Amino acid sequence: ETGVTQSPTHLIKTRGQQVTLRCSSQSGHNTVSWYQQALGQGPQFIFQYYREEENGRGNFPPRFSGLQFPNYSSELNVNALELDDSALYLCASSSQKSTGMGDTQYFGPGTRLTVL
Amino acid sequence: QQQVKQSPQSLIVQKGGISIINCAYENTAFDYFPWYQQFPGKGPALLIAIRPDVSEKKEGRFTISFNKSAKQFSLHIMDSQPGDSATYFCAPVEYGNKLVFGAGTILRVKS
Repeated sequence: ETGVTQSPTHLIKTRGQQVTLRCSSQSGHNTVSWYQQALGQGPQFIFQYYREEENGRGNFPPRFSGLQFPNYSSELNVNALELDDSALYLCASSSQKSTGMGDTQYFGPGTRLTVL
Repeated sequence: QQQVKQSPQSLIVQKGGISIINCAYENTAFDYFPWYQQFPGKGPALLIAIRPDVSEKKEGRFTISFNKSAKQFSLHIMDSQPGDSATYFCAPVEYGNKLVFGAGTILRVKS
């Protein structure tokens, strides 16, 4: 059983550029959540995808968008990068039940994004 | 709006001692109460979690105590070891899946 993987590990971009981060969920999981962790802070929920549909969104602007693919892998896209977007971006996969109750979320190692 | 307040910010404990980290919350929609452990350069990993119909759960050296009426839950690490040195987050779950993280507690266990 493989765990959650993310790519790339590190990324440096300049203000105004666009970035795509990728996540492969753990085998058997149908739900992917994305979190932003600024230095020295707790992760903040960006959004969640369940069976290719957005299933909840945190307090992030529309320039943060995502996709989930039929194999349940996912992408996070950020347009018009700002300096404050510099953070560790974490992906977590889980197996959501039809009742809506979630199961344990397993995190990947994250992608460190630096915006200059 | 700070839904989750975690304390202390940092903690230094001698090897073999007890580490206690507290979490207070406001949102009554939270329905699952986990603690995550994060080492530098790694993603958070689930340490232990409790459902709101239980007041205490113990797994090895780790115990969660949950007080629903006070809207508080705490993590106790017994016989703390240097390998426990990490950042700990409470992260109650909203609507079954959204984790709401506290600000974190940096634990250092001195050998």
